[in-house]
Amino acid sequence: AQSVTQLDSHVSVSEGTPVLLRCNYSSSYSPSLFWYVQHPNKGLQLLLKYTSAATLVKGINGFEAEFKKSETSFHLTKPSAHMSDAAEYFCVVSSGSARQLTFGSGTQLTVLP
Amino acid sequence: KAGVTQTPRYLIKTRGQQVTLSCSPISGHRSVSWYQQTPGQGLQFLFEYFSETQRNKGNFPGRFSGRQFSNSRSEMNVSTLELGDSALYLCASSLGQTETQYFGPGTRLLVL
Repeated sequence: AQSVTQLDSHVSVSEGTPVLLRCNYSSSYSPSLFWYVQHPNKGLQLLLKYTSAATLVKGINGFEAEFKKSETSFHLTKPSAHMSDAAEYFCVVSSGSARQLTFGSGTQLTVLP
Repeated sequence: KAGVTQTPRYLIKTRGQQVTLSCSPISGHRSVSWYQQTPGQGLQFLFEYFSETQRNKGNFPGRFSGRQFSNSRSEMNVSTLELGDSALYLCASSLGQTETQYFGPGTRLLVL
């Protein structure tokens, strides 16, 4: 069985300040972990993925995430928020023979001017 | 390379009707998965097709069905529509069964 918990349903930051979106996962197998972003009325765009290589994963648009097995966490960070980062972010796990992705409940990121 | 395309983008139906949604994967991708997104339940897995065979199925009633064609294009069908079927239906494709999934823009279905 696998599950994902996104610890914050809403995060608000000022433009130019760091972003931290928190995600904890549960998996019976070595997981693949993903962060997707969804802008209003759009589909999901892949930000980054972890598949058991380097624990620090760099993605698009300056985002990165660190896989911490001991903490079962995969938090998403960005050093400096931009207005265009305002969107909903989903942490996703896929593991074992289960091909289906299991999504977290999402974190709505607001970027204030 | 063109991304995943879904048609139609918007659809309005009434209760009891049926609907068919279409998904064209990225060229060369053989796996297609379908997801339902609602405000209350979030994103939920419907089913996955690979090489015209359903490989995995989520916890949805039998009114939800799908198929995949030899060119990897996929359709999903919902029969006897209910108000609760109103949702954004997302299709995702991947190269194989263990590859990253890439999502289309979705079909927004409204059931009246």
